Amino acid sequence: NAGVTQTPKFQVLKTGQSMTLQCAQDMNHNSMYWYRQDPGMGLRLIYYSASEGTTDKGEVPNGYNVSRLNKREFSLRLESAAPSQTSVYFCASSDRQGQEPLHFGNGTRLTVT
Amino acid sequence: GENVEQHPSTLSVQEGDSAVIKCTYSDSASNYFPWYKQELGKRPQLIIDIRSNVGEKKDQRIAVTLNKTAKHFSLHITETQPEDSAVYFCAALSNTNAGKSTFGDGTTLTVKP
Repeated sequence: NAGVTQTPKFQVLKTGQSMTLQCAQDMNHNSMYWYRQDPGMGLRLIYYSASEGTTDKGEVPNGYNVSRLNKREFSLRLESAAPSQTSVYFCASSDRQGQEPLHFGNGTRLTVT
Repeated sequence: GENVEQHPSTLSVQEGDSAVIKCTYSDSASNYFPWYKQELGKRPQLIIDIRSNVGEKKDQRIAVTLNKTAKHFSLHITETQPEDSAVYFCAALSNTNAGKSTFGDGTTLTVKP
C-alpha cells in the first residue's frame, strides 16, 4: 500500500499561472481533504470531500477549486496563483468520517513569485 | 464551529525529562481527539488518539488524558529522547461535522541531549 500519494512534490509558479495538485489514496477511504500549512498557523482546511461525488468548502477555500474524480482521487486547482498561496499543501484521507485519524500525503511545497 | 487552542507553542526539555502539551476545545460535540507528530520536512503522522468515552490512554512513553467537562486534553511524553524533537499537533473532531479536523497551532518540542 502506498497510502496517500501527492504530486508534484515541489512547484514554482508565477503570479497568475494555474496548476492542479493531484492526490490519490489506495486505502478505500471515503473522505478526503486538502490542507495548507503555513509557518506558525498549523493546518488549515481548504476543501474536503466527505464521500465520492461530494465536495465542500473548508476554512480557507478562496482561490481554490477541487474535483473528487472518483473514490481514489481528489485534486486541488489554483486557477490564478497569488503569492499568498505560497504554502505547503497536504492531502489527507480518513476512513470512518470523524472517528478515524487522517492519513497524510507527503505534501507539495508551492512557491508563487 | 470548533476552536482548538494549544499550549505551549514551544517547549524545550532535557533528555529524560517529561513533556506535557495541552489543548482546549470549544465544541461539546467533539468526541475524537488525535495527536500528530510532524518531523521537519515530513508529513504529520498519528501518534496517539483518544475517544470521548475514555479518560486516559497510554502507549509506551506516550499518554493522552481527556477531561470532557473542562473540554481539555493533554499529551504526556515521558523519558524524552532527541528523536522526540518535532512539532506536535492536537486535533478535535466529531462525526456530526463531516469528519473535519480542527487543529491546534502546534507545539515545537526540542529535546536537548
